[in-house]
Amino acid sequence: DAMVIQNPRYQVTQFGKPVTLSCSQTLNHNVMYWYQQKSSQAPKLLFHYYDKDFNNEADTPDNFQSRRPNTSFCFLDIRSPGLGDAAMYLCATSRINYNEQFFGPGTRLTVL
Amino acid sequence: DAKTTQPPSMDCAEGRAANLPCNHSTISGNEYVYWYRQIHSQGPQYIIHGLKNNETNEMASLIITEDRKSSTLILPHATLRDTAVYYCIVRVKGNTPLVFGKGTRLSVIA
Repeated sequence: DAMVIQNPRYQVTQFGKPVTLSCSQTLNHNVMYWYQQKSSQAPKLLFHYYDKDFNNEADTPDNFQSRRPNTSFCFLDIRSPGLGDAAMYLCATSRINYNEQFFGPGTRLTVL
Repeated sequence: DAKTTQPPSMDCAEGRAANLPCNHSTISGNEYVYWYRQIHSQGPQYIIHGLKNNETNEMASLIITEDRKSSTLILPHATLRDTAVYYCIVRVKGNTPLVFGKGTRLSVIA
């Protein structure tokens, strides 16, 4: 089945140690999004790609970077994770000018 | 910021209709009403969307008031699997990202 896959599902890192989360999709969608969801809060958009065009939200910390080497893959790099970065990270995709966003299961990041 | 207001929580008996309200009094003419839900420890899932006409699909019905300032999502026969946080979102159709509000936590009770 076509889907959005996130690996790993659970990631533990140490304070200040760089970490990379990955997202892949078999839907061939042009648009990919990264959301951060902290405990008991709603998802919050970090950035999104419209094809290779990168769009950063104004309040996304510089500590967060993203790469999209091809249509299928997108990575979220956290250069120096702090305790406040512990959260669920959600990847989503959509077709251009299409209504529905398809979400992956998320990666839960723990920072020790 | 989210442009919608929803009650923080609701209960519904299994098998009964769940009616989830949403206020969006500042909605613009080109903005649609979208509903997503998030079951615990999963990613959000699209349910339905509409502009001004009522909409129905296999999951739910969406009733939008004539002035478009509010809407109601209806799950006709709620099951325990419908227990989730339901998000009402207004946005322009297309690639604009979703801005999630606090949503309504629906608990379906046996």
